[in-house]
Amino acid sequence: DQQVKQNSPSLSVQEGRISILNCDYTNSMFDYFLWYKKYPAEGPTFLISISSIKDKNEDGRFTVFLNKSAKHLSLHIVPSQPGDSAVYFCAADNAGNMLTFGGGTRLMVKP
Amino acid sequence: GAGVSQTPSNKVTEKGKYVELRCDPISGHTALYWYRQSLGQGPEFLIYFQGTGAADDSGLPNDRFFAVRPEGSVSTLKIQRTERGDSAVYLCASSLIGQGHSPLHFGNGTRLTVT
Repeated sequence: DQQVKQNSPSLSVQEGRISILNCDYTNSMFDYFLWYKKYPAEGPTFLISISSIKDKNEDGRFTVFLNKSAKHLSLHIVPSQPGDSAVYFCAADNAGNMLTFGGGTRLMVKP
Repeated sequence: GAGVSQTPSNKVTEKGKYVELRCDPISGHTALYWYRQSLGQGPEFLIYFQGTGAADDSGLPNDRFFAVRPEGSVSTLKIQRTERGDSAVYLCASSLIGQGHSPLHFGNGTRLTVT
């Protein structure tokens, strides 16, 4: 039973355009959501997070949107850069850092 | 080093053997986590330490898996009688606190291959 799902295994975007990565969850007890970025042969690195009391959090080129009623969050990257090419994982937390991860979306930003 | 260090980076072992995977967390981080990532999937929680004690080991798949953190710093994940299905990348992470929402800092993982 996957509580956090990323339904798009891959996404290809032209440099300079917007990348939108999506994530759905089923557990209404999740109260904090995070996005991690992973390069090959490296561990995931924290990118941005959002509390369930907010619907938007922005950090530079990265914005996370949360729609609690739809149990959906998205990560927007604008403008996309070739260095953003990586696997992106969304994760959810309901008990202090025992994160539940989605399956990941591989983003390819073409120059 | 400034980050979470995991050794070895790669481990190949034969089915039935015993393996130990080591994690050195960021200095001062009291919380330590082990995750396992199988090919094409996201990391799956295994066990969480707060200090020396295992605060939650609900993710360990069976009793062949065990982890320790005797001095509240370095942790070792131990797998007995390895099976081919244990092949995965084992990720360790640490954070400043285990409660609340301090981001986890991950190591580069140990890729375990059971032949």
